[in-house]
Amino acid sequence: EVQLVESGGGLVQPGGSLRLSCAASGFTVSSNYMSWVRQAPGKGLEWVSVISSGDSTYYADSVKGRFIISRDNSQNTLYLEMNSLRAEDTAVYYCARDDSNGYYPEYWGQGTLVTVSS
Amino acid sequence: SYELTQPPSVSVSPGQTARITCSGDALPKKYAYWYQQKSGQAPVMVIYEDSKRPSGIPETFSGSSSGTMATLTISGAQVEDEADYYCFSRDSSGDRVFGGGTKLTVL
Repeated sequence: EVQLVESGGGLVQPGGSLRLSCAASGFTVSSNYMSWVRQAPGKGLEWVSVISSGDSTYYADSVKGRFIISRDNSQNTLYLEMNSLRAEDTAVYYCARDDSNGYYPEYWGQGTLVTVSS
Repeated sequence: SYELTQPPSVSVSPGQTARITCSGDALPKKYAYWYQQKSGQAPVMVIYEDSKRPSGIPETFSGSSSGTMATLTISGAQVEDEADYYCFSRDSSGDRVFGGGTKLTVL
């Protein structure tokens, strides 16, 4: 059974940094496209970043240059390093495993809340 | 940047058919996907590749796409179908995009 468990969210000041983790089970993260999607309070879903099975990385314009997606194959864990955080980055962050073709998010975790505030 | 446009809200009475639309210029060449998100929960896929239903999703959910518009149809909508629904697709350069979401009310 595919399971994704996010952690690492919390309160951080503007300009600060935070690293989110997504522990996977039931499959191997290195063999799949893995995504981060966020949802600001009361707002819609926003795609943030994806890492391919070949380690190519892609980012939404809103986070490019500030966020870094990576994975640790030995830990079967996906990460999102978030730097220079802004109030508008406040959201629930979901990790997701894409389908076998790496086209769309298929399985989702339950999310972790990041609040950027002074 | 590419956008997928959805109506903010749709309201039907129990047992009626609910239709939620998603419009985007690239949809004639790109598949549409639909996610259901109930309050406080993670999204769940209900339709993939325009019209396919994942295992475990009731037959009351169906999808279609024509030209620049994709449609999610919920036949005989029930109170338990109340949720936010999001379409998802890729633009011509492969970037991933979600629609703004539609709140379905059944009452």
